[in-house]
Amino acid sequence: DAGVIQSPRHEVTEMGQEVTLRCKPISGHDYLFWYRQTMMRGLELLIYFNNNVPIDDSGMPEDRFSAKMPNASFSTLKIQPSEPRDSAVYFCASSLGDTIYFGEGSWLTVV
Amino acid sequence: GQQVMQIPQYQHVQEGEDFTTYCNSSTTLSNIQWYKQRPGGHPVFLIQLVKSGEVKKQKRLTFQFGEAKKNSSLHITATQTTDVGTYFCAGRKSSASKIIFGSGTRLSIRP
Repeated sequence: DAGVIQSPRHEVTEMGQEVTLRCKPISGHDYLFWYRQTMMRGLELLIYFNNNVPIDDSGMPEDRFSAKMPNASFSTLKIQPSEPRDSAVYFCASSLGDTIYFGEGSWLTVV
Repeated sequence: GQQVMQIPQYQHVQEGEDFTTYCNSSTTLSNIQWYKQRPGGHPVFLIQLVKSGEVKKQKRLTFQFGEAKKNSSLHITATQTTDVGTYFCAGRKSSASKIIFGSGTRLSIRP
């Protein structure tokens, strides 16, 4: 299997622009997670889905953040409008059972 | 809410020295997992412990799950430069609750 696939791997955008991060989970996995990692706050769970349904979005920082999972093989995390403090590595991950498989991350810089 | 704390936050050791990181939960866990994240990489699953008092080994790595299932440790014997990275524990209260990641311990090594 190719593992969890994320795109883009790196993005630099200007403050105020919309950012869309994409994720393809491992086929057959029923859970999908979005994490954000920064030096200051560590690894934060933003939202997770079970069978394409959002279960817990309590980690989503603000209304500027939204996530969708229209089908079992695709999810997006959108930030609109983006701000410099959103700069971080965003990981998508999936699981079937307890083991979580992370993608390589999307490195976002908002200037 | 459930919290998972890890200590120390950072550890800098001479190559060949041992290293231990500790994970403590405010609540009893159904299981605990350990992940390793290399610099610039993504967290990668190492192992899962389920039973009270369980001890598992992977070469130079020894993982323990406490008798009360509220704490865990990862011990590396005779560290090597390839051990550099951040080690995370992650646990959940039950199969119905979300997995909570610890804050991580960053290991650096002097050659």
